[in-house]
Amino acid sequence: NAGVMQNPRHLVRRRGQEARLRCSPMKGHSHVYWYRQLPEEGLKFMVYLQKENIIDESGMPKERFSAEFPKEGPSILRIQQVVRGDSAAYFCASSLLSGDYEQYFGPGTRLTVT
Amino acid sequence: QQQVKQSPQSLIVQKGGISIINCAYENTAFDYFPWYQQFPGKGPALLIAIRPDVSEKKEGRFTISFNKSAKQFSLHIMDSQPGDSATYFCAATQGGSEKLVFGKGTKLTVNP
Repeated sequence: NAGVMQNPRHLVRRRGQEARLRCSPMKGHSHVYWYRQLPEEGLKFMVYLQKENIIDESGMPKERFSAEFPKEGPSILRIQQVVRGDSAAYFCASSLLSGDYEQYFGPGTRLTVT
Repeated sequence: QQQVKQSPQSLIVQKGGISIINCAYENTAFDYFPWYQQFPGKGPALLIAIRPDVSEKKEGRFTISFNKSAKQFSLHIMDSQPGDSATYFCAATQGGSEKLVFGKGTKLTVNP
């Protein structure tokens, strides 16, 4: 399967815990994007990363959220001290080239905060 | 501020009919307009996309119509099938920015 992979698919956390979401881009893709989808809403851009660099984090909340895309391994979206409002579906997308515009999405991680 | 407005919110069509979903944008710098299809529990899948140098693009039963002066674009699904039942999102982006700006989605139901 050469598609974008995300894990876990479902994640349940209690308020105050940490959530770590992982994304492996399509083979050969070095550009990764994270989006958040609230119920009955469209997707909202969070962050754009290339290997070892954060290019655009204009959609990331200023506190508790961070993202990385290391030289080796998947991209990680980390949410510290989760609150109920963080409950959402988090999607990762990847593209082959900068400016390519064609972004391919993974199946998402559904985070539930209890 | 919502930069891409999508309508209708939901749409019911009979099998064989034409489904039409509309989007309007505000940012004249947008230069790429994709449509995504999303089934429940799945990620969005790129369906078809258009750039503003053409007024129409067709791929199979799916057609994008683009009106640059009106800042509007629409998705037409010809001969709609029950398997087309999904949520459709329009989006837009611009050169120099990698982020897609999405509409709120249209839930399409095609009755057999």
